[in-house]
Amino acid sequence: AQTVTQSQPEMSVQEAETVTLSCTYDTSENNYYLFWYKQPPSRQMILVIRQEAYKQQNATENRFSVNFQKAAKSFSLKISDSQLGDTAMYFCAFMRMEYGNKLVFGAGTILRVKS
Amino acid sequence: NAGVTQTPKFQVLKTGQSMTLQCAQDMNHEYMSWYRQDPGMGLRLIHYSVGAGITDQGEVPNGYNVSRSTTEDFPLRLLSAAPSQTSVYFCASSYSPGSGADTQYFGPGTRLTVL
Repeated sequence: AQTVTQSQPEMSVQEAETVTLSCTYDTSENNYYLFWYKQPPSRQMILVIRQEAYKQQNATENRFSVNFQKAAKSFSLKISDSQLGDTAMYFCAFMRMEYGNKLVFGAGTILRVKS
Repeated sequence: NAGVTQTPKFQVLKTGQSMTLQCAQDMNHEYMSWYRQDPGMGLRLIHYSVGAGITDQGEVPNGYNVSRSTTEDFPLRLLSAAPSQTSVYFCASSYSPGSGADTQYFGPGTRLTVL
């Protein structure tokens, strides 16, 4: 079975600064996806970024980028130029490539952006 | 497109009562899933479906039933509610794996309290 570990229950960052959220996972699979989801106080789950395991290049989406280390089974999220609207719970998630609707989530990291 | 919709947004039940959480999507997604979110545990998969008429159990299926008679709808039934089922419930949908568009999209969630 796959497991996802987020070792930072809470993080804080000053507005405009950079913060990195950590995620490690355990799997024996070779083909899979990794995701970061954002959950603001509205409770809506919002996809931030997605990484296919077969791609060596790290995914980026505007201010959000990942550091994907497949051998180390590590998948960290870097948020640059943090904004107040980035305040949310962030979940790391794993999905085997052939199981399109079976996400395995970490426990989440609460990120607070301070002005 | 309305995306993934869930009703109700909030519900309070007494122990032993039954109810159905509704989920619908208008994106013609084959895959649909139900997750529950509990503090400190992230989201966990309850049941999922890979198409109309096909359902299977996820990580925490006990106490819940599902059916999938149409592509659009995937209701979750609690037959005899228990306080341990107090949680936030999310429905999600996606295209089938390998389609290149198999990211899961989440509904807004239902907060259920069982007294």
